[in-house]
Amino acid sequence: EVQLVESGGGLVQPGGSLRLSCAASGFTFSSYWIHWVRQAPGKGLVWVSRINNDGSGTTYADSAKGRFTISRDNAKNTVYLQMNSLRAEDTAVYYCARLNHGGAEDYWGQGTLVTVSS
Amino acid sequence: DIVMTQSPDSLAVSLGERATISCKSSQSVLYSSNNKDYLAWYQQKPGQPPKLLIYWASTRESGVPDRFSGSGSGTDFTLTISSLQAEDVAVYYCQQCYSTPYTFGQGTKLEIK
Repeated sequence: EVQLVESGGGLVQPGGSLRLSCAASGFTFSSYWIHWVRQAPGKGLVWVSRINNDGSGTTYADSAKGRFTISRDNAKNTVYLQMNSLRAEDTAVYYCARLNHGGAEDYWGQGTLVTVSS
Repeated sequence: DIVMTQSPDSLAVSLGERATISCKSSQSVLYSSNNKDYLAWYQQKPGQPPKLLIYWASTRESGVPDRFSGSGSGTDFTLTISSLQAEDVAVYYCQQCYSTPYTFGQGTKLEIK
């Protein structure tokens, strides 16, 4: 069974940092690109970042460029999202999702909540 | 960035009736090399992550009931639920997977009339 489990969310002050993790199981992790998507409370979905299967290629939304870093450890079947200089507007549930052959996100984790507040 | 616009923002349909949601992209999402439209539809119920329904504009994801169908090409797309069931109450999102950032529509809230 394909599973993605996010962790690492929590309450952080503005300007602080958090590292989110996405642990995968049930599929050949090293063959798939992984995305991060976020959803502010009561709002819609916003794509944040992606990483290719071997970690050599990454892309970011403008809102994440220069502050967030996506990485992966294929030996641990885990993707990370390092988030620095956090702002109140980064408050959201962060989902990791697997990319299928059609370019769509076919499996999603349950999400981890990040709250940026003083 | 490609802007995705859904209509309507909310929709109330009677059980057993057809529900139709529109999605328009600000530029074509048709990939000429394989003639595929990189447009996906997702269903999200409260407190749950999104669920992939349709990709390549009209390819139904495995396990998705056949009452869900996608159509369209280029910049205009439609998600149709042929006979609404109670469990279909949710917010539906379209997403272009053609170029980064992979933008979503604002969502359409589907309710029972």
